Amino acid sequence: GENVEQHPSTLSVQEGDSAVIKCTYSDSASNYFPWYKQELGKRPQLIIDIRSNVGEKKDQRIAVTLNKTAKHFSLHITETQPEDSAVYFCAAKDQGAQKLVFGQGTRLTINP
Amino acid sequence: NAGVTQTPKFQVLKTGQSMTLQCAQDMNHNSMYWYRQDPGMGLRLIYYSASEGTTDKGEVPNGYNVSRLNKREFSLRLESAAPSQTSVYFCASSGTQGALGEAFFGQGTRLTVV
Repeated sequence: GENVEQHPSTLSVQEGDSAVIKCTYSDSASNYFPWYKQELGKRPQLIIDIRSNVGEKKDQRIAVTLNKTAKHFSLHITETQPEDSAVYFCAAKDQGAQKLVFGQGTRLTINP
Repeated sequence: NAGVTQTPKFQVLKTGQSMTLQCAQDMNHNSMYWYRQDPGMGLRLIYYSASEGTTDKGEVPNGYNVSRLNKREFSLRLESAAPSQTSVYFCASSGTQGALGEAFFGQGTRLTVV
């Protein structure tokens, strides 16, 4: 079955700097790759997603890149702000089987 | 819009007791999921249902059963609770096509087994 590995588990950056979180997946049938943000005590919420026929997608300060050949995808946050502090999860989904598997999460801390 | 609703929000069980976590969505989604999240850990898939009438095991199905009662509702049952099942449980739902498959989560159920 699908296995999603996420690194690093914790990340601390200075406010204004960029943050990068990386994920790899194992199932070549996966074709949808969302990223979720979870604030303390809250439910995960989608921040950006990408389909396998697209290499890169941007939404303001957030971007996701996908290398389907290498089976890895990354989240890039630029100009980080204190409100970006949270746990971030990557995930992979086989749109056919509908199985959605998450990575282990990255605790991002933005230092003022 | 209610989105995904889970009940209860909190529950304390004694070892060996049983209970059912309820989940309902009002977005006409085909797919529904149950995850558990242990402290400081990621979201691990317990069971999922790709469509009404089907259920499949996820990464950690042992000790759980599920029922896809209809398109709206997907319940998770613990037949004989164990302390290792202490966790926060999230239900989620997603569409299949068109909406990119974004999964929406319920608010979570915090379960403690003593």
